Amino acid sequence: LAKTTQPISMDSYEGQEVNITCSHNNIATNDYITWYQQFPSQGPRFIIQGYKTKVTNEVASLFIPADRKSSTLSLPRVSLSDTAVYYCLVGEGLTGGGNKLTFGTGTQLKVEL
Amino acid sequence: DVKVTQSSRYLVKRTGEKVFLECVQDMDHENMFWYRQDPGLGLRLIYFSYDVKMKEKGDIPEGYSVSREKKERFSLILESASTNQTSMYLCGSKGAPDYEQYFGPGTRLTVT
Repeated sequence: LAKTTQPISMDSYEGQEVNITCSHNNIATNDYITWYQQFPSQGPRFIIQGYKTKVTNEVASLFIPADRKSSTLSLPRVSLSDTAVYYCLVGEGLTGGGNKLTFGTGTQLKVEL
Repeated sequence: DVKVTQSSRYLVKRTGEKVFLECVQDMDHENMFWYRQDPGLGLRLIYFSYDVKMKEKGDIPEGYSVSREKKERFSLILESASTNQTSMYLCGSKGAPDYEQYFGPGTRLTVT
């Protein structure tokens, strides 16, 4: 399983764009890159997933370079409610069934006024 | 609306007790997972199951066992609870080919 490395913490202010980068040097050909968000006292929640290039949804964008050894989660115009831990995961394969998910320690994002 | 429920939000047990943590999902998912979460260590996978009666060890299975007799239910068992098993326990489920894993609210277990 590909190991991921993310910053332990990041600080930002409301209205700013936040970019969290994750490195995954040993990513396999059929691995996807997935990001989850976790608020205190709750289970993690899926944000976005991608394989290569760029993916965008209503919450975030995910940028993946051609070598796929890293990825960047971009949160546009963050608010106080975006304060949470963000996890980068690599794995699951193309079929998505039965494979283990490995969560790292995540990035604690703190958004202030 | 998808749902993963866990039997208790908070649980206090004594050292040596047998502890059962129950997880139920209503999405007909094949895959179910048990994690523990500790400060500074993130989520660590204990066991997962990809079908009824099937299970595989995760990264930290020592001191735990699991049971999956029905597709919707996945139980985590602490045969003899110890204080180092005090933690937040999270259950997840995932179908195929859907890639998203859904999580329950967690059970905060304290072993005294």
